[in-house]
Order: sequence, then C-alpha cells, then structure tokens
Amino acid sequence: EAGVAQSPRYKIIEKRQSVAFWCNPISGHATLYWYQQILGQGPKLLIQFQNNGVVDDSQLPKDRFSAERLKGVDSTLKIQPAKLEDSAVYLCASSPRTSPLLYTGELFFGEGSRLTVL
Amino acid sequence: AQTVTQSQPEMSVQEAETVTLSCTYDTSENNYYLFWYKQPPSRQMILVIRQEAYKQQNATENRFSVNFQKAAKSFSLKISDSQLGDTAMYFCAFSGANSKLTFGKGITLSVRP
Repeated sequence: EAGVAQSPRYKIIEKRQSVAFWCNPISGHATLYWYQQILGQGPKLLIQFQNNGVVDDSQLPKDRFSAERLKGVDSTLKIQPAKLEDSAVYLCASSPRTSPLLYTGELFFGEGSRLTVL
Repeated sequence: AQTVTQSQPEMSVQEAETVTLSCTYDTSENNYYLFWYKQPPSRQMILVIRQEAYKQQNATENRFSVNFQKAAKSFSLKISDSQLGDTAMYFCAFSGANSKLTFGKGITLSVRP
C-alpha cells in the first residue's frame, strides 16, 4: 500500500515569495492534516480536512497561508507571501476515520516538505 | 485545550541498555488515545506504540512498553535492549474526541555503540 506522498521535499525561497506544497494521502483516507514543524519543536496542526471540508483551521495564519482539498483526495498548502519564520518542515498526514468504531487515533505521515525562507 | 509536556530535551543510552522517556499531559476528557511517535533523522514519523485511555493494561510492542498512569496523567515510554536504529526524535502525542493529534516538543534520543 502506498504511503502519504508529499512534494517537493525541499524548497528554498526568498522572503515575500510564494510557495506551494502538495500532498496525496493514503487511498481511502477521509481525513487529511497539515502540520508545521519548526526545528527542534513538535509538529503544530495548521489545518484538518474531513473529505473536502475544513474541520479545524484555527491555527492557520490565514493572512498568508491557504489550503484546499477540492476533490476530497489530494491537497495543496500555499504560503504567500513567505516570512523568515515560516522556515519549517510541513508535514502532511492522513487517517481513515471512516467510522468511529474503526478510529484508532493513529495518523500516517509523509516525509515532509522542508522550507527554507532566506 | 489539551497540552502535552516532554521536559527532557535529550537523552543518551548505551546500546543494549534500557531507557525511559517521560511525558505528561493535561486534559478534561475521559476517553482518549496516547501515542509515542518516532522521527528518525530526515525520515518520516512513524507510530511506535498506542494506548487507549480506557484500558488499564499498559501497551507493549516488542522492545517498547509504556507506563500509563491515568490519574497522574503520565505516559512514559520504556525502550529495552536499545539498538542503534532507535536513535531518533521521539514525540509523545494525545488524541481526543476531535481526532486532532497534539504533540509534545519531543526528545532526542541517541544510542551509543
């Protein structure tokens, strides 16, 4: 079974430029998450999708970050304009959560996209 | 809101020895899951072990076991017979009714040959 796919793996941009990250979750997984992991810290949830609807985006800096999951499958996270403090690894994760009875709480992570803002 | 605290930033252990990583959490929920995730250098995060809060028995997965103290809101990970491949960052995490995973800051574990 294919895992969570993310691209690009690495991206270097100047501040005020824009960047987009793509994620394709495990087939059939209804829930998709984007996390931001700053060096030396634990991942912080940016946004959670259930199918193509947003469940939680309370920690997404909406003035510069946007995310979509139009067909309920793959997702794109965009940053525009980027700031120095956006340098981080952006992790995508997915989970089945097709039924409360099947819910185990486990998330399946991609390898992440490392962003460096100069 | 839930919080997860890992107060030890890093630990080191000799190969084949046992090490315990500490974690405390805070929540008002009664039903939840606790996890330890492993993140090797430049590789993806993977689940090490999971504990359901309603289960009194501590979870075990081969060399990995937990000490779950619900009343104290403590959830430590014990790694027995440490191996070089255990070198990684380890995150304690909480998932409650909203299915959102909240992570601690992590601990860097180094296994010395």
